[in-house]
Amino acid sequence: NAGVMQNPRHLVRRRGQEARLRCSPMKGHSHVYWYRQLPEEGLKFMVYLQKENIIDESGMPKERFSAEFPKEGPSILRIQQVVRGDSAAYFCASSPRLADIETQYFGPGTRLLVL
Amino acid sequence: ILNVEQSPQSLHVQEGDSTNFTCSFPSSNFYALHWYRWETAKSPEALFVMTLNGDEKKKGRISATLNTKEGYSYLYIKGSQPEDSATYLCAAGGGSNYKLTFGKGTLLTVNP
Repeated sequence: NAGVMQNPRHLVRRRGQEARLRCSPMKGHSHVYWYRQLPEEGLKFMVYLQKENIIDESGMPKERFSAEFPKEGPSILRIQQVVRGDSAAYFCASSPRLADIETQYFGPGTRLLVL
Repeated sequence: ILNVEQSPQSLHVQEGDSTNFTCSFPSSNFYALHWYRWETAKSPEALFVMTLNGDEKKKGRISATLNTKEGYSYLYIKGSQPEDSATYLCAAGGGSNYKLTFGKGTLLTVNP
């Protein structure tokens, strides 16, 4: 069973460009979570999605960031008009269902560098 | 907003040594405590999830305990091996079972 896949693993963008980060959850998992790790910081929750629904986006910046998890295909985290402060590692995790105790299985992350 | 602290930030031990490190979190509104093992350039690997005060979990030479009343968890590694070298992350869920707050990790280096 393949783990959580993220691509690209590394992404370089110039200020003002768009960044699209993809996450394919583990097979059978319908819950996806995105986290961001800024330099010298711990991972911070951004957004929780189920298929076709955003459940909680309380950790996501209000401007320029959006996330989706369509019925078919991977979850996408989209950052428009990137700025240098967006440089970070973005991690996706998935779980099979929202139970009382649920392990989140993480992907290897996408390292975004904004020049 | 939870504040999760891990100590020490880094640790060097010799092969065969036993070691432990700490994760502290606010005891109010606690939901669950997760431990992950993370090697550079790989995915964080889930080790344990604990919810009850006094919980103890074990996986091979690694074990963890949880004290929700005082807000801390210990991770123990018995007889450290070089392959145990990694960053160990703890994450607390407060008020929900999905929104995890991570500490900055403890970087363990085991010298052969």
